[in-house]
Amino acid sequence: DAKTTQPPSMDCAEGRAANLPCNHSTISGNEYVYWYRQIHSQGPQYIIHGLKNNETNEMASLIITEDRKSSTLILPHATLRDTAVYYCIVRVVNAGGTSYGKLTFGQGTILTVHP
Amino acid sequence: DAGITQSPRYKITETGRQVTLMCHQTWSHSYMFWYRQDLGHGLRLIYYSAAADITDKGEVPDGYVVSRSKTENFPLTLESATRSQTSVYFCASSFRVGGAYEQYFGPGTRLTVT
Repeated sequence: DAKTTQPPSMDCAEGRAANLPCNHSTISGNEYVYWYRQIHSQGPQYIIHGLKNNETNEMASLIITEDRKSSTLILPHATLRDTAVYYCIVRVVNAGGTSYGKLTFGQGTILTVHP
Repeated sequence: DAGITQSPRYKITETGRQVTLMCHQTWSHSYMFWYRQDLGHGLRLIYYSAAADITDKGEVPDGYVVSRSKTENFPLTLESATRSQTSVYFCASSFRVGGAYEQYFGPGTRLTVT
């Protein structure tokens, strides 16, 4: 699986968009980009994933560059409840066999949303 | 309630005791996982399972035993607890969406070994 690099921390004002970057310059063509977050003392929470195209769901948008070497998770209107550690994970498509889609978590980005 | 639950949520045990952490999911997901989370190490995979009776070791399996006789349950047993196993334990289940896997986590069990 490709290695990811994220800034250790970021700040955002409440109501503004939070843009969290992730570098995955060694990504290969068959690897998905996943985003999870972990709010303090809770289990990690799935946010979104993508392969090539930009993706949007009720929680966030995922923008993947054309060369797929980096991506940005966008929380369009950040709230105080979005304060969490955000993890960017790259994982091989159809990683079945003996791996069953298991994830490797890095250190993530601590996003702090301020009033 | 639908979802993934863990019990107990908090547990204090003594060194050398056997302790079992329970995990139950109601989605019938095939894949289940156990992670531990410690300060300075992040989330690390202990064991995982593709289906009932199919389990495999993760990154840090020593000192742990798992079983999966039913799809919905995936208990984790510490055979002889040690202080180094003091941690927060998260169970997760996963299903495939096309070529990707979405993984959903339980609320965690905070275990203290004295």
